[in-house]
Amino acid sequence: GAVVSQHPSWVICKSGTSVKIECRSLDFQATTMFWYRQFPKQSLMLMATSNEGSKATYEQGVEKDKFLINHASLTLSTLTVTSAHPEDSSFYICSAGRGSGGLTDTQYFGPGTRLTVL
Amino acid sequence: GQQLNQSPQSMFIQEGEDVSMNCTSSSIFNTWLWYKQDPGEGPVLLIALYKAGELTSNGRLTAQFGITRKDSFLNISASIPSDVGIYFCAGFWSNTGKLIFGQGTTLQVKP
Repeated sequence: GAVVSQHPSWVICKSGTSVKIECRSLDFQATTMFWYRQFPKQSLMLMATSNEGSKATYEQGVEKDKFLINHASLTLSTLTVTSAHPEDSSFYICSAGRGSGGLTDTQYFGPGTRLTVL
Repeated sequence: GQQLNQSPQSMFIQEGEDVSMNCTSSSIFNTWLWYKQDPGEGPVLLIALYKAGELTSNGRLTAQFGITRKDSFLNISASIPSDVGIYFCAGFWSNTGKLIFGQGTTLQVKP
């Protein structure tokens, strides 16, 4: 159990276009999902916390109008990178929280999406 | 803010050797997690620790939640080539509901 999928696994786009990445928890319901960004040879940096049915909470320095997050159901969250630019090229990883008592201490990660903006 | 210091940054060992890596924090965590990440993949959960002092094993992997709640270690016994990858510790802070990640330990195993 605790499988999280992401789609697409990689995407190449032109500068100025928008890209949508989907994150699904396949065998459990996730009230909370998280979006991370990882640059080469670096650790994961949390971008935002996505709660089903409410607005996402963004980390300091992350533009909410550029990285649109929608958590439409307990098994699906989407991240849309709007007007992408080359500096947005990165590895984007989502995770879904699975804990007891409303906690999300154990997070299961998706396989990641490699975004390359030309 | 909270920071995790993970060490060593990288290790290059011979197949069959044991490996140890650890994480320390300036503040306490409620939960410690250890993940492994292969190139181009998302992190995979190896071990989750929920109580101070807890010692948990998963095959050849053993991890402990430090008594002070500010540290954790991961041991890998009798390493094999497929252990190659980046290992991350992560602390969960219930006040924020977020995971804080260490910088990662890159493990290379020589057959």
